[in-house]
Amino acid sequence: GQSLEQPSEVTAVEGAIVQINCTYQTSGFYGLSWYQQHDGGAPTFLSYNALDGLEETGRFSSFLSRSDSYGYLLLQELQMKDSASYFCAALYAGNNRKLIWGLGTSLAVNP
Amino acid sequence: GAVVSQHPSRVICKSGTSVKIECRSLDFQATTMFWYRQFPKQSLMLMATSNEGSKATYEQGVEKDKFLINHASLTLSTLTVTSAHPEDSSFYICSATSAGGPSNEQFFGPGTRLTVL
Repeated sequence: GQSLEQPSEVTAVEGAIVQINCTYQTSGFYGLSWYQQHDGGAPTFLSYNALDGLEETGRFSSFLSRSDSYGYLLLQELQMKDSASYFCAALYAGNNRKLIWGLGTSLAVNP
Repeated sequence: GAVVSQHPSRVICKSGTSVKIECRSLDFQATTMFWYRQFPKQSLMLMATSNEGSKATYEQGVEKDKFLINHASLTLSTLTVTSAHPEDSSFYICSATSAGGPSNEQFFGPGTRLTVL
């Protein structure tokens, strides 16, 4: 079946850089998305990679290597408000373009 | 733009009752709407995918007779949890993709927290 793996927890300090890795299975893979979710809230879209390489959006960047079935989310200049869960989600070809979600990485940013 | 609303945001009901949750795209037409449930500290679990005017596609293991989905228009989908039981208590979230935007981005509603007593 289709599944994604990412670390369950990451801890860092303010101002640091954190990389959250995600590996996925390739069958029917179309692209990789990243979402942020704060406790009690809904997920919000961060980025999407369909092609290999790095996509940069402000302090957040996302990378994809299709040959390695691997991607990562890079968070720079960490702030306390970045403490949240981060999910990678794979878009698979087929009806309705549904997302297959990773289990999420809980990021704790400490002072 | 691309705002999705859900109503109600929170509901508490007795076991055996049915609960309807509405999901609306406020400023765009939604090609497809998705219904998820999420237990505390866990990932989102896709329950079903719905397109306007057609039957919903349910994920394996999700009972279609228990979780009724109606997608009446390009801006409204409803999820009815029939004969709810305590194990149905969860955070239910809908999302939508825009007919005029990239299909890779889903816009999420704020979620509905269901507690069944």
